[in-house]
Amino acid sequence: GQNIDQPTEMTATEGAIVQINCTYQTSGFNGLFWYQQHAGEAPTFLSYNVLDGLEEKGRFSSFLSRSKGYSYLLLKELQMKDSASYLCARLDSNYQLIWGAGTKLIIKP
Amino acid sequence: SAVISQKPSRDICQRGTSLTIQCQVDSQVTMMFWYRQQPGQSLTLIATANQGSEATYESGFVIDKFPISRPNLTFSTLTVSNMSPEDSSIYLCSVLTGTGIGSEQFFGPGTRLTVL
Repeated sequence: GQNIDQPTEMTATEGAIVQINCTYQTSGFNGLFWYQQHAGEAPTFLSYNVLDGLEEKGRFSSFLSRSKGYSYLLLKELQMKDSASYLCARLDSNYQLIWGAGTKLIIKP
Repeated sequence: SAVISQKPSRDICQRGTSLTIQCQVDSQVTMMFWYRQQPGQSLTLIATANQGSEATYESGFVIDKFPISRPNLTFSTLTVSNMSPEDSSIYLCSVLTGTGIGSEQFFGPGTRLTVL
């Protein structure tokens, strides 16, 4: 199928590091997106990976392994404002995005 | 990048009526999509808006309920027809710019629809 799997919920402490994993079907793969979404708001683009490896952007990093159908989003120096849902989405060869259900990240002081 | 505007930003409608949501992009884009997100659920793709031809609908969505127009490369409309409370949702316009490695996807601010 076209399942995108990511954990439903994660909890982390302010100032710490958290890694959110995402696995996906590898056929017809055209890239992997990560989005942040606060409740009641539209998703905000975080990263787009199409090649293997780690890409860093400030406190956020995204990693991709195409052969394994695996990606993760790494958040460092967590802040309370990072509490949100993090959505993993696979872009297929028809430029359709297949979305995961999202990971709700809860940051505790 | 692409800047997307949607109208209206929110609306409260009566059961049985229809609402048309407009999406305007500030630049020509490769593709335009319409999504919705119902309370507590993930984003769901409704359809891909094709310029000059009929939209491509996802399973569970039909043209009679969600007619879509895309008269040019920067504008699209989504109509939610014969609304019921189950249609209460955030409706999002989204665009894809570029192709391949250079692709980026952007979302509009959303239209929050409440059907009474």
